[in-house]
This record gives sequence, C-alpha cells and structure tokens, in this order.
Amino acid sequence: EVQLLESGGGMVQPGGSLRLSCAASGFALNNYAMSWVRQTPGKGLEWVSAISGGGGSTYYADSVKGRFTISRDESKNTLFLQMDSLRAEDTAVYFCAKDGVVAAPQYFDSWGQGTLVTVSS
Amino acid sequence: DTVMTQSPATLSVSPGERVTLSCRASQSVSEFVAWYQQKPGQAPRLLIYGASTRATGIPARFSGSGSGTEFTLTISSLQSEDFGVYYCQRYNDWPPRVTFGQGTRLDIK
Repeated sequence: EVQLLESGGGMVQPGGSLRLSCAASGFALNNYAMSWVRQTPGKGLEWVSAISGGGGSTYYADSVKGRFTISRDESKNTLFLQMDSLRAEDTAVYFCAKDGVVAAPQYFDSWGQGTLVTVSS
Repeated sequence: DTVMTQSPATLSVSPGERVTLSCRASQSVSEFVAWYQQKPGQAPRLLIYGASTRATGIPARFSGSGSGTEFTLTISSLQSEDFGVYYCQRYNDWPPRVTFGQGTRLDIK
C-alpha cells in the first residue's frame, strides 16, 4: 500500500526558511515522479514543484522558482522541499503527491495528508 | 499559460440525480486532463486521468469525457458520499507543470 507522510510544517517569519519532508512507503521514489502541491486555506490547489523519477529532473512554478528546492533521498525513500525567503503568500497546506508515471509532472494518484506552513511575523 | 475554468462554482443536487461538471481550457490540452475529488480536511483523490480513464478503485458512476478545450465529469447517480469539491487539472504542459481549475463545490440536497 502506498503511503505518504509529510512533516516539517510550522510557523516561520517572513524571509525565513523551512524544510518539508515526505516519507514514502509501498513504492520506490526513484520509480515515479513526485510533486509538492499547496492549498491556501479555503482556496484551491496550486502545483509548486516536481522531480521526475529516474534521473531526477526538477521543475518549479514561477511563484517559487529561485526560492524553493525539491530533492529526494533514495536511501531513505524520502522527498524534501527546502523553502527559503518565505513570504506571507506561501502560507498554505503543503501536500506531497505521487505521480502516476515516471515523467513529471502529470497526474497524482496518491497524496499525503498535508502539512501546514504559516508565514507570519 | 493555460487557464482551466470550471463551472458551475457551486452545485446542490439530490441523491440519485445525474450530475455534470464542466471544465474549459484556455487552449487545447488534447486529452491531458485529470479530475480530483476533495472532501473537507482530506487530500484530493484522483478520479479520472487522460480525460476519460477511471483511476483504480473509482466507482463506475464517475465518468469523464472531452478533448481539446472542453471537458466534463459526470456522476450518473449521485450518492450521499459524493459531496466535496471537484477539481480539473491539465498536465503534459511545456515547460513541465500542471494547472488546476478553481474547483466546483458539490453539495447534497
């Protein structure tokens, strides 16, 4: 059974940093693309970043490019999102999501439960 | 950038009725559209990908159709557990990225 468990969320001041983790089980991370998707409280879904399976090419939404970094540790089967220079508009629930294919990003057939990131002074 | 526009914004339907949700793309996306259901406090659940392929474990009352710029998610006979917000999503974009619609909230009468 595929399971995704996010951690690392919390409250941080504007300009600060946070690192999210997503522990995967039931499949090997490098066999599938993985993404981070966020959802502002009461609002819709926004794709943030993806890493392809295999070679691990990375992709970012324009809103986070240059500030966020996606990576994975295959030995721990864990996905990461390093978030720097955080802004108030980055406040959201962050979900990690498994892609249905190796190339990224496509459609997401498994999701974690989400972790809340709050950027506020 | 592709904009995915969903309609209606909100829908209230009685159990047993047929439900049709619409999603329009601002440019052709072929059949690279997925649909998700999200209930309060939960993560989204994949229903449909490739515009019309049901995901694993999704009941047959859910069906998707369309290509190009017009897409539809149909629930043939609404069940009480089908409430929630439904999102369409385009993929296979260049540069690689995905775009979600703003969602349609489905309430049970």
